[in-house]
Amino acid sequence: SQKIEQNSEALNIQEGKTATLTCNYTNYSPAYLQWYRQDPGRGPVFLLLIRENEKEKRKERLKVTFDTTLKQSLFHITASQPADSATYLCAPPRSQGNLIFGKGTKLSVKP
Amino acid sequence: NAGVTQTPKFRVLKTGQSMTLLCAQDMNHEYMYWYRQDPGMGLRLIHYSVGEGTTAKGEVPDGYNVSRLKKQNFLLGLESAAPSQTSVYFCASTILMNTEAFFGQGTRLTVV
Repeated sequence: SQKIEQNSEALNIQEGKTATLTCNYTNYSPAYLQWYRQDPGRGPVFLLLIRENEKEKRKERLKVTFDTTLKQSLFHITASQPADSATYLCAPPRSQGNLIFGKGTKLSVKP
Repeated sequence: NAGVTQTPKFRVLKTGQSMTLLCAQDMNHEYMYWYRQDPGMGLRLIHYSVGEGTTAKGEVPDGYNVSRLKKQNFLLGLESAAPSQTSVYFCASTILMNTEAFFGQGTRLTVV
């Protein structure tokens, strides 16, 4: 069955450092992958979508990579700030097309 | 624009009671989804709809029913609530299936 794994449940880093979150998928090859941010008590908010023919995508301090050989996506936040503290979810599509969400990585950025 | 609005935000039910959760979107999206989110489990798809009058089962459909009588509304029903249905429920909508999802603020349901 299609599986998504976000390697770390929690990641603690110092303000100003780069946060790197990992998403691995098995048993299929999604054509794209989305990343979302979720704050406590709120619904997820879309951040970025990367397609299989795009190795890297950037949006302000965010960067996403997509390695179809390793079956992995990396999500980077550069110059991290306490306001970046949240849970980040990766979401590739199932074979039917609707999204399957990872369990998320809770990022804490300490001042 | 309000985006995706869920009603109610909180609810406590007794085992065996029934209720309906309402999701409304004002973005004219074709696709709508109901997820549940439990600690350690992530978001799991309950049911979804690819257009007005259509519904389909997701990963965890048992114990739930849905209806999409109007394009802007997607209703999730629990006919006989069980403690295992205690969860946070999220509704989402998309223009197409492979575009960004817009989520509601969630409904926290407790079944005692």
